[in-house]
Amino acid sequence: EVQLVQSGGEVKKSGESLRISCKGSGYSFSTYWISWVRQMPGKGLEWMGEIDPTDSYTNYSPSFQGHVTISVDKSISTAYLQWSSLKASDTAIYYCATSSPNSHWFDPWGQGTLVTVSS
Amino acid sequence: SYELTQPPSVSVSPGQTASITCSGDKLGDKYACWYQQKPGQSPVLVIYQNSERPSGIPERFSGSNSGNTATLTISGTQAMDEADYYCQAWDSSTHYVFGTGTKVTVL
Repeated sequence: EVQLVQSGGEVKKSGESLRISCKGSGYSFSTYWISWVRQMPGKGLEWMGEIDPTDSYTNYSPSFQGHVTISVDKSISTAYLQWSSLKASDTAIYYCATSSPNSHWFDPWGQGTLVTVSS
Repeated sequence: SYELTQPPSVSVSPGQTASITCSGDKLGDKYACWYQQKPGQSPVLVIYQNSERPSGIPERFSGSNSGNTATLTISGTQAMDEADYYCQAWDSSTHYVFGTGTKVTVL
């Protein structure tokens, strides 16, 4: 069974850095791309970007380009989402999800990581 | 940028049919998929490639896509179907786009 397990919730202050993780299991990690999706409190889903674990090639949504960094460590089947300087507006649940190179839907999803940033 | 628009809410009586629309420019030329998200849970794929159901998704969920509109239909709606539903499409320039989301209430 393909499964994504995300790191636990985080409480940070504005200006701090943060990296959250998403560990894949039950499949060959390089088979599927991994995307990150933001859900702000009470709001909808927003695609942030994706990474190909094979070669770490990334695509970012223009809305998030330059604000976050997506990376991967194939050796431990883990993808990351990173901020160098958090803002209060980064408070949200962040999901990772898999897609295959020739399909453009997400299945499955991780359980989500709640990031709370105080000013 | 590409946008997908959904009605904010849909109400349906138990056992009746709920239809949720997703509108976007020439959406019928792309593949649409749908996710169900219950409170406090991660989204779950219920329809992909316009009308295909993943294994484990009940047959009462069906989808279609033509022109500028994709539609998710829930036939014989049950109380457990009460959730938020999001459409999603992909194109080569904007990559992944989600719809605005629809809250389905089973009255």
